Amino acid sequence: GAGVSQTPSNKVTEKGKYVELRCDPISGHTALYWYRQSLGQGPEFLIYFQGTGAADDSGLPNDRFFAVRPEGSVSTLKIQRTERGDSAVYLCASSFIPGGPETQYFGPGTRLLVL
Amino acid sequence: AQTVTQSQPEMSVQEAETVTLSCTYDTSESNYYLFWYKQPPSRQMILVIRQEAYKQQNATENRFSVNFQKAAKSFSLKISDSQLGDTAMYFCAFMQLNRDDKIIFGKGTRLHILP
Repeated sequence: GAGVSQTPSNKVTEKGKYVELRCDPISGHTALYWYRQSLGQGPEFLIYFQGTGAADDSGLPNDRFFAVRPEGSVSTLKIQRTERGDSAVYLCASSFIPGGPETQYFGPGTRLLVL
Repeated sequence: AQTVTQSQPEMSVQEAETVTLSCTYDTSESNYYLFWYKQPPSRQMILVIRQEAYKQQNATENRFSVNFQKAAKSFSLKISDSQLGDTAMYFCAFMQLNRDDKIIFGKGTRLHILP
């Protein structure tokens, strides 16, 4: 079956603009995660969904960042008033059952560049 | 808070040689998972190997094995008979069991396999 997909693959935007990044998890996976990977760093946790609800959004850096998962499947990460420091690769992952031995499967990421 | 430290930013080895990547972590928890992920230039995070902390036996997956020293909080990855396709960034990662499932990553080791 298909893996986790993310669109767009690359996004270039100007400072101050609004962007949306989409994640399509593996079918049937109830848990969905967003991570941000800055250049030369490992991924850092942003937010975790169990079903439709955000179970943990402690990693969101500020209120310009928001994510939704209205039907418990596709998720959208939204960034308002983008800043140059938001430039990074945004990774999405999904797993079948949280809290257990289930592996998180990662998508290929969206590379965001804010000019 | 949990932390993961990878002290080798970059390594190079000849094809067919064995290489060991180091990782240490810090946690006060007793139940957790440890992972090694591979990230080639395609950005896709690929799970290489996983170790449950309650298991004393070191995990192995074909040419990949770990040396898990729980008391020392050390989790190294050994790659035997290295191949050109092993060239990638390798991330050591930690996940607490039965909590919010977010994965905490180290900064990574860039591994070059030389022909």
